[in-house]
Amino acid sequence: DTAVSQTPKYLVTQMGNDKSIKCEQNLGHDTMYWYKQDSKKFLKIMFSYNNKELIINETVPNRFSPKSPDKAHLNLHINSLELGDSAVYFCASSQDRGRNMNTEAFFGQGTRLTVV
Amino acid sequence: GESVGLHLPTLSVQEGDNSIINCAYSNSASDYFIWYKQESGKGPQFIIDIRSNMDKRQGQRVTVLLNKTVKHLSLQIAATQPGDSAVYFCAENRMDSSYKLIFGSGTRLLVRP
Repeated sequence: DTAVSQTPKYLVTQMGNDKSIKCEQNLGHDTMYWYKQDSKKFLKIMFSYNNKELIINETVPNRFSPKSPDKAHLNLHINSLELGDSAVYFCASSQDRGRNMNTEAFFGQGTRLTVV
Repeated sequence: GESVGLHLPTLSVQEGDNSIINCAYSNSASDYFIWYKQESGKGPQFIIDIRSNMDKRQGQRVTVLLNKTVKHLSLQIAATQPGDSAVYFCAENRMDSSYKLIFGSGTRLLVRP
């Protein structure tokens, strides 16, 4: 039973295409995230959603559009893919326990996106 | 700006020795810190966390030390094993921005048999 699962694991596509990555968590968490990991292993937050509402958008190009149909899912759609979008994308989730109660985030296995 | 951690260095240790991985953070408002382990081809995995009202926390074979005065965090791994080989990240979170976990640049740990 995978806690945070994302599909596909690998995605190779041509420049200009549109693609989606799906994420589901079965932990009952109410906060979900997308992170991007570059070739130097640096992990940077892209989006976070709490109870299906967008909370953080870290100056990500509007070609990236997250969609949260319900608390257990946060999908990432990318339009007009560019070479620089090649990276590993991680979905994560955590439980919001209110102010002063941060909790750890659980990560999926990642989606390696290669744009050619 | 905010920054956590150092450029990705590599720490090589002999199996059975203790490992110490360090992390510096610059945001004095950070109050919750996490260490993650990332093995090749996998997502980051939670190891241990610590809140700013503590300076030490122990887990199984791991200890996290927090020095708020110099904004420094360390992860100590006792009796390092080959399975500990991975990239280790520290991450910080501010009490007033629960939805944003900021990661350091990571340290690669190599365990020599």
